[in-house]
Amino acid sequence: EAGVVQSPRYKIIEKKQPVAFWCNPISGHNTLYWYLQNLGQGPELLIRYENEEAVDDSQLPKDRFSAERLKGVDSTLKIQPAELGDSAVYLCASSGRANTEAFFGQGTRLTVV
Amino acid sequence: AQRVTQPEKLLSVFKGAPVELKCNYSYSGSPELFWYVQYSRQRLQLLLRHISRESIKGFTADLNKGETSFHLKKPFAQEEDSAMYYCALRGFGNEKLTFGTGTRLTIIP
Repeated sequence: EAGVVQSPRYKIIEKKQPVAFWCNPISGHNTLYWYLQNLGQGPELLIRYENEEAVDDSQLPKDRFSAERLKGVDSTLKIQPAELGDSAVYLCASSGRANTEAFFGQGTRLTVV
Repeated sequence: AQRVTQPEKLLSVFKGAPVELKCNYSYSGSPELFWYVQYSRQRLQLLLRHISRESIKGFTADLNKGETSFHLKKPFAQEEDSAMYYCALRGFGNEKLTFGTGTRLTIIP
């Protein structure tokens, strides 16, 4: 089993440009999370999906960030326009039925220059 | 609100010595506590969870509700234990997983 798959692994863009990250969760996992991890910090939740519904997006900066999870499987996180402060690792995770373990992807390291 | 505090950003321990990584939490309801580990160049993965009450790779952690702590312990450190360790909390009935800032553990040969 491949686990949670994220792409790309690395992305370098200029500020003000758009960027998108893709996540394929473990098959059958209904819950999908996007986390932001700044250097030296723990992961911070951006958005959580239950199937295709965003049930917690309170920490998502909606002026520039958006996310979608079509058909309750894959998910895309977008930033438009990117700012220098968005440089971080973006982690995707998924879990199965309630109160089970969350499995993480390798993450996408974004550098905005 | 739920919060997790890991007071030590860095911890160095000699091989064979005991290890304790501290974690304190703040949550008004019934918490579920986890320790996640990230080895060099690997993804974040679950090490153990308090409801399992099991020992993984020699590590144990006991939930102390009175002190709101969930410290991670190992009696004899091994070099392969060097990694980043994150304590995390999830409220009962709530899928939101909140992480601490992490402790980088280095085992000195």
